[in-house]
Amino acid sequence: DAGVIQSPRHEVTEMGQEVTLRCKPISGHDYLFWYRQTMMRGLELLIYFNNNVPIDDSGMPEDRFSAKMPNASFSTLKIQPSEPRDSAVYFCASSTREKLFFGSGTQLSVL
Amino acid sequence: KNQVEQSPQSLIILEGKNCTLQCNYTVSPFSNLRWYKQDTGRGPVSLTIMTFSENTKSNGRYTATLDADTKQSSLHITASQLSDSASYICVVSANRGSTLGRLYFGRGTQLTVWP
Repeated sequence: DAGVIQSPRHEVTEMGQEVTLRCKPISGHDYLFWYRQTMMRGLELLIYFNNNVPIDDSGMPEDRFSAKMPNASFSTLKIQPSEPRDSAVYFCASSTREKLFFGSGTQLSVL
Repeated sequence: KNQVEQSPQSLIILEGKNCTLQCNYTVSPFSNLRWYKQDTGRGPVSLTIMTFSENTKSNGRYTATLDADTKQSSLHITASQLSDSASYICVVSANRGSTLGRLYFGRGTQLTVWP
C-alpha cells in the first residue's frame, strides 16, 4: 500500500486566495483525520470523518475552513479566503480503529 | 483539562548513547498512550501503543513504559543512531466507549543525535 497520499506537498499562495488540500486515505480505513501542525501549537485536530461522515469538526478554526469526504478514497480541506496565520503544515491521517497512519503533509505558506 | 506535557523540549546526545524522554498526562478517562516519531518534513509514524494494563512495550531499540497510577510514560532509546534524530510525540487517547477516542497530543521532544 502506498500509504496516505496528500497533495500538494507545498503550496504558496497570496492572502485572500482559495486553497484546496487533498488526501487519499489508505484503502479499507474507515476514519480520516485532518490535522494542522505549527511550532507554537504542535499538532491540532481540525476535523475527522467516520465512513465519510464528519463526526467532530470542533477543531475547525473558522468558517473559512471546510472539509469534505465525497467517498471513501478522497477528502479535501478548503480554506477560503486564506490568511497568513493559516500558514502551517496540514496532515491527513487515516485509521481503522486506534493506529493512525499519517500522510507526508502539505506545507502551506500564505503570503 | 486534558493535557499532555513532554520533557525535555529538546535534547542533544552523542551517537551510541542512551536517552529517555518523558510524558505526563492528565487525560481522563484513559484509553491508551502512543509514542510517535516524526522525521523532518514527514508525518508522524507510530512507535508503540500501550493500554492501561500494559506497563512496557518495545519496538527495536525503543522501549516505552507506562505508569497509569502516576499518569507518566517514558520512551527510552538505546544505542542511539543518527537516524534517531527526530521529534518524538506522546499522544494519549481518551476513552469514548465503542467509538474512536479523542487524541491529545504533546508538543514533542526534538532529539538530535550527533556523530
